[in-house]
Amino acid sequence: DADVTQTPRNRITKTGKRIMLECSQTKGHDRMYWYRQDPGLGLRLIYYSFDVKDINKGEISDGYSVSRQAQAKFSLSLESAIPNQTALYFCATSDSDRASEQYFGPGTRLTVT
Amino acid sequence: QQPVQSPQAVILREGEDAVINCSSSKALYSVHWYRQKHGEAPVFLMILLKGGEQKGHEKISASFNEKKQQSSLYLTASQLSYSGTYFCGTEESGNNRLAFGKGNQVVVIP
Repeated sequence: DADVTQTPRNRITKTGKRIMLECSQTKGHDRMYWYRQDPGLGLRLIYYSFDVKDINKGEISDGYSVSRQAQAKFSLSLESAIPNQTALYFCATSDSDRASEQYFGPGTRLTVT
Repeated sequence: QQPVQSPQAVILREGEDAVINCSSSKALYSVHWYRQKHGEAPVFLMILLKGGEQKGHEKISASFNEKKQQSSLYLTASQLSYSGTYFCGTEESGNNRLAFGKGNQVVVIP
């Protein structure tokens, strides 16, 4: 079974709808991240959490919110989706040791029409 | 701040060598390298830390010039499996989060 899972894997939604993307991990890691990937732009950090009570904004947090329900679960919400939020979204986790590698989930492809 | 990766794309034949680069204008604590194949998630390759420590695959070679805030990844005797997009992620001293570059696309042909 995969260590980092994301649901749904694909989603098409309409402008103005609320949508939640979910991430679960079985690696026992404290740190979790949400990234957005657009063609030619690389990975951009939306939010990150170093433990259940610690949530921080990344470089592009506007229009997004997150919830860390448990050590293993980190959800990303788009309160009112807009077309320029169409992208590939990745969740990642890492250990708490310094300079730890990040493990990425398979991604969620979101299309906002 | 997003690091700059160069060259944007590289095409090489199996067995050839290539170097891809990552540079930042900020003081760095570490540089991470990941490879992403089409339609898949990024996969960890290596971390280079300030002070010379490295973590990662033994067959991957990389360097980190702390004075210039630059890192290079060396693709030696390339194989078809090396094809993909390589991303560097830079961690500025003390902030515990990565900023990724736009990627280097590498295509290895037979």
